[in-house]
Amino acid sequence: QVQLQESGPGLVKPSQTLSLTCTVSGGSISSDNYYWSWIRQPAGKGLEWIGRIYTSGNTNYNPSLKSRVTISVDTSKSQFSLKLSSVTAADTAVYYCARGFGVVTVDYWGQGTLVTVSS
Amino acid sequence: DIQMTQSPFSLSASVGDRVTITCRASQSIRSYLNWYQQKPGKAPELLIYTASSLQGEVPSRFSGSGSGTDFTLTISSLQPEDFATYYCQQSYSTPLTFGGGTRVEIK
Repeated sequence: QVQLQESGPGLVKPSQTLSLTCTVSGGSISSDNYYWSWIRQPAGKGLEWIGRIYTSGNTNYNPSLKSRVTISVDTSKSQFSLKLSSVTAADTAVYYCARGFGVVTVDYWGQGTLVTVSS
Repeated sequence: DIQMTQSPFSLSASVGDRVTITCRASQSIRSYLNWYQQKPGKAPELLIYTASSLQGEVPSRFSGSGSGTDFTLTISSLQPEDFATYYCQQSYSTPLTFGGGTRVEIK
């Protein structure tokens, strides 16, 4: 059973960079069959796809965030990461990491981690 | 971006009721439509992929249909554990986009 676990600071100051890591266990992060995504959800609101990375290193980002987002992968540690720069209060949300394949955007989700942007 | 519109925004239903949720895409997405269920405080879970394929051990009371721009999620006989919020999501093109969600509440 694949498990994903987000980690990182729960509080980030405005204008700083939000950094989260997702650790994958119970399955190989290196498989060419899968890609690894970040999705967020502000409190009481819907889901927003941030972007994804393939183990080849290829990435796709949401254009609404593209100028501020970097997703990377470290297969040696079975981890992938999210960096979101110049954050504002609007970036406060629960951030989920997730696994997908083909046209199935997510078959496994992390439990989610709340990141609050506040001074 | 492809816009996904769900209706209704919320509904109240009783155990045993048949429930239908609709999702409309702003352009054709063929059958590249997934449905997720989310309970309060939890991550979403995949129910249906490619419009009508049931994921894993999802109960058979859940079904999906549609193609092109119009899709439906049906729960044939609502159970207590089905009270949750449901999201559709298109995987036809990036950015991948979700519907706004449909909250299914107890009547």
